[in-house]
Amino acid sequence: GAVVSQHPSRVICKSGTSVKIECRSLDFQATTMFWYRQFPKQSLMLMATSNEGSKATYEQGVEKDKFLINHASLTLSTLTVTSAHPEDSSFYICSASRTANGYTFGSGTRLTVV
Amino acid sequence: TQLLEQSPQFLSIQEGENLTVYCNSSSVFSSLQWYRQEPGEGPVLLVTVVTGGEVKKLKRLTFQFGDARKDSSLHITAAQTGDTGLYLCAGAIAGNMLTFGGGTRLMVKP
Repeated sequence: GAVVSQHPSRVICKSGTSVKIECRSLDFQATTMFWYRQFPKQSLMLMATSNEGSKATYEQGVEKDKFLINHASLTLSTLTVTSAHPEDSSFYICSASRTANGYTFGSGTRLTVV
Repeated sequence: TQLLEQSPQFLSIQEGENLTVYCNSSSVFSSLQWYRQEPGEGPVLLVTVVTGGEVKKLKRLTFQFGDARKDSSLHITAAQTGDTGLYLCAGAIAGNMLTFGGGTRLMVKP
């Protein structure tokens, strides 16, 4: 089955630094990947749609300069949280679709900014 | 206001009881999916329903897609402690983009 690998699973960083999260589709090519943010005990909120070879599409209220997305290949999308602050602490999850009705999610990245 | 309203938000039941989770919207979805998520992990796909009126069964779980493709339900028979988790419905409208319901946190007590 389709496998999506997300790395790292946990990261702690200092305020003001940047953190990069990787999302890889291991056994299929993904022209589109999605990045979500999830607060404790809440559902997933779509942050942006990552398109291979073009600019990401951000949801309303998501700062594109703060959450940089790069989708340079058909198997890799990265999310960089720039100048992180404690309020950016959250669980970030990526997903990729192999078919129109099949979505596979990464295992998530828990970011803690201290 | 969420596009997909999921209810209940929380459910605490005894092992062996039955339960139903609902997912409702005023929008029509090309497909609707149900996921289960454990703490600290990504959601895992349980089922995808595509056709209005479709019913799918996965062991003790029964999924139904409304005739108008605007709502769905998940019914669990004889719940077990291993069913504990966050259940999420998600609908696909445009292209491959999913919109998620608010989630149902299920606790099954022994």
